[in-house]
Amino acid sequence: AQSVTQPDIHITVSEGASLELRCNYSYGATPYLFWYVQSPGQGLQLLLKYFSGDTLVQGIKGFEAEFKRSQSSFNLRKPSVHWSDAAEYFCAVGDVYNFNIFYFGYGTKLNVKP
Amino acid sequence: NAGVTQTPKFQVLKTGQSMTLQCAQDMNHEYMSWYRQDPGMGLRLIHYSVGAGITDQGEVPNGYNVSRSTTEDFPLRLLSAAPSQTSVYFCASSSLNTEAFFGQGTRLTVV
Repeated sequence: AQSVTQPDIHITVSEGASLELRCNYSYGATPYLFWYVQSPGQGLQLLLKYFSGDTLVQGIKGFEAEFKRSQSSFNLRKPSVHWSDAAEYFCAVGDVYNFNIFYFGYGTKLNVKP
Repeated sequence: NAGVTQTPKFQVLKTGQSMTLQCAQDMNHEYMSWYRQDPGMGLRLIHYSVGAGITDQGEVPNGYNVSRSTTEDFPLRLLSAAPSQTSVYFCASSSLNTEAFFGQGTRLTVV
């Protein structure tokens, strides 16, 4: 069965520090991969996506993610976190055989210390 | 650019009441879906549709009905609301090789 695991429920980093949010997935083939961000009371905004090709993907707001097939991972990174990055982050897998179905992790809440 | 529009944004229901959450998209996407978001549980798929007249169940369909009479609209119906349906509901649309585009959500409380 398909699943997405985000091992860290909460992460706190200092402003200006680097950030890595982990995501592992279980899927029978190479999936489509996504990272979304959600601010309190808001909908989900796409940060970046991977369909194929270069395994290092650049997104909005200075985020990037790297697809590692051997580790079934798609970790999100940012070299220097800003206070406005405090939000909840969701990793998602798109079903390549049934493309209207997306599987989401439980999310990681990011807190940024001044 | 409207994208995906959900109404209402907030709703309080009494147990046993019925209501319909509305969802409309203006991107001509074939695929539409409904998710519910509960604290610590991410988003779980309720129902989805691959086109007008075609719907199917997701992970947590019980207590919910859907229909898709047009490409643009995909309403979610709660026939007899229960406290367990207190949640935030998100509608999404997508097309081949696109991400899911989400509405702003409907926060539903069942008392």
